[in-house]
Amino acid sequence: DTGVSQNPRHKITKRGQNVTFRCDPISEHNRLYWYRQTLGQGPEFLTYFQNEAQLEKSRLLSDRFSAERPKGSFSTLEIQRTEQGDSAMYLCASSPGGIGTDTQYFGPGTRLTVL
Amino acid sequence: AQSVTQLGSHVSVSEGALVLLRCNYSSSVPPYLFWYVQYPNQGLQLLLKYTSAATLVKGINGFEAEFKKSETSFHLTKPSAHMSDAAEYFCAVNNNAGNMLTFGGGTRLMVKP
Repeated sequence: DTGVSQNPRHKITKRGQNVTFRCDPISEHNRLYWYRQTLGQGPEFLTYFQNEAQLEKSRLLSDRFSAERPKGSFSTLEIQRTEQGDSAMYLCASSPGGIGTDTQYFGPGTRLTVL
Repeated sequence: AQSVTQLGSHVSVSEGALVLLRCNYSSSVPPYLFWYVQYPNQGLQLLLKYTSAATLVKGINGFEAEFKKSETSFHLTKPSAHMSDAAEYFCAVNNNAGNMLTFGGGTRLMVKP
């Protein structure tokens, strides 16, 4: 069990550029989640996958955001035409699956800075 | 809808003193509650979770939390603070379907020597 990994750890981009982040969950975890955390705030839910199916999306996930989880393994989060308001830490988590007590394990995050 | 309120965005204690971080929740269904810790520039690490098996939950690093339904609270405590406990602490509630966490705003714990 190597934990959840995320790449890159840091990304600096100019406004208007596209960026893509990758998350590798704990092996055999069925569920994968994306959260966004702005400075001084708690993480906010963005989206969730059960295997390869994207089952829920937050209203925070605008049309410029897209997430995929091909083959139910790693996931990518793409932001198109980045804006300064997109600057945040993007956290990925995975869990085995189940109801209620299913524990989410978080990766180290990708910190995005949009200039 | 669920929500979590953490009273006190900053808490400062002396090394060796009691740590008390407050969390109140709102949930229309029996909640599943979690405490996570976040060190600077790192992800979240699970401290403990309430699974309805016992109201007093023990976690890692000497932390524990007590679920009080009548007070809708899940406060985090540690008898004696250590310098290494300085970090940001987040309380979270899981929705009934178990597919998203709602976090509080966090409490930054500072430990003075």
